[in-house]
Amino acid sequence: AQRVTQPEKLLSVFKGAPVELKCNYSYSGSPELFWYVQYSRQRLQLLLRHISRESIKGFTADLNKGETSFHLKKPFAQEEDSAMYYCALSEDNYGQNFVFGPGTRLSVLP
Amino acid sequence: DTAVSQTPKYLVTQMGNDKSIKCEQNLGHDTMYWYKQDSKKFLKIMFSYNNKELIINETVPNRFSPKSPDKAHLNLHINSLELGDSAVYFCASSQGQGQYFGPGTRLTVT
Repeated sequence: AQRVTQPEKLLSVFKGAPVELKCNYSYSGSPELFWYVQYSRQRLQLLLRHISRESIKGFTADLNKGETSFHLKKPFAQEEDSAMYYCALSEDNYGQNFVFGPGTRLSVLP
Repeated sequence: DTAVSQTPKYLVTQMGNDKSIKCEQNLGHDTMYWYKQDSKKFLKIMFSYNNKELIINETVPNRFSPKSPDKAHLNLHINSLELGDSAVYFCASSQGQGQYFGPGTRLTVT
């Protein structure tokens, strides 16, 4: 069975500081990894996916298969980055094994 | 245009009642989902539905049943509501990579 862990429930950083949201997964195959963000009282939004190797709102994430990690990073946090961040893993395109991590609440302090 | 919509946005009802939440997506996606987000913001997949194939999370009580009148809709019916059903329910859809979420329905059972 696949599993996604996010060890930090809450992460507080000051504005302008670097931020790293950790995500580790356990899966025997080659998963698709995603990061989703949920701003206060809003819907979840796809932030980025590992196969796109994109940078959204200054965030990047690199899939490290050796460490089975997909940490989310941003060099300079902004107050508007405060939100819940979920790491997610998908085994296929049909969501049969689409699993979210427990989420990390990022609080960026002024 | 709203990609994934849900109605109602808020639903307050008493224990024992039966209620439905509607979901519609105009993205032409093949797969739709229902998630439950509890008070601790933990996201749990309840169902995924693709080409009339329903994948059920085995932990979901059979009081919950998804119904798909067509490819663009996946409604959630809940019978005999219980206090523990209070949560935010998110609908989502996908076609390949990533999922697009609805705005959520906050269900409160009194």
